[in-house]
Amino acid sequence: EPEVTQTPSHQVTQMGQEVILRCVPISNHLYFYWYRQILGQKVEFLVSFYNNEISEKSEIFDDQFSVERPDGSNFTLKIRSTKLEDSAMYFCASSERSGRFSSYNEQFFGPGTRLTVL
Amino acid sequence: GESVGLHLPTLSVQEGDNSIINCAYSNSASDYFIWYKQESGKGPQFIIDIRSNMDKRQGQRVTVLLNKTVKHLSLQIAATQPGDSAVYFCAENRGGSYIPTFGRGTSLIVHP
Repeated sequence: EPEVTQTPSHQVTQMGQEVILRCVPISNHLYFYWYRQILGQKVEFLVSFYNNEISEKSEIFDDQFSVERPDGSNFTLKIRSTKLEDSAMYFCASSERSGRFSSYNEQFFGPGTRLTVL
Repeated sequence: GESVGLHLPTLSVQEGDNSIINCAYSNSASDYFIWYKQESGKGPQFIIDIRSNMDKRQGQRVTVLLNKTVKHLSLQIAATQPGDSAVYFCAENRGGSYIPTFGRGTSLIVHP
């Protein structure tokens, strides 16, 4: 069964450093997403991406964040200058379509990258 | 403030019992709801969804009930198994959005 994969599983970085989190969405999916989950808290939407551009983003997704699809398979989230409060699990997800009320909208989540900022 | 929340942070049941996980939402514009299961070390997994024009939907061993009058959503799991142990999140899609807004989650613990 196809699945979303993410690397690394755990990233430790120093405050102020740049990190890039990588995701390989399911191959026939066209819509890509990043979420984060601070330990013990709810999953929060960051950004959605379609056709090589951001389609929706939350207030969390400020200028420190960027996303890119550098090739036909990878989808990356970059945090330019990490802060302590960026420590969280980051989940990538993909879906076949964006239409609501459709099974094609089901978002498949990856296993996550745990980011620890020291 | 939050528009999606859960009444019980932890629910412990015996294997074979039925489980009910509850969720309250406050945004009357929400028209699509999803339940996700998150096992330890994994990302959320879609379980079942329901549109606001329905009040009940059944899947395999799971049933979602929607009460729009009191803005309440529940997930019923029949014959709960140890493999059902996980954190369960309800999420809402507000009208016009395909992005789910998640609630905090309920931890379901199934004792053999």
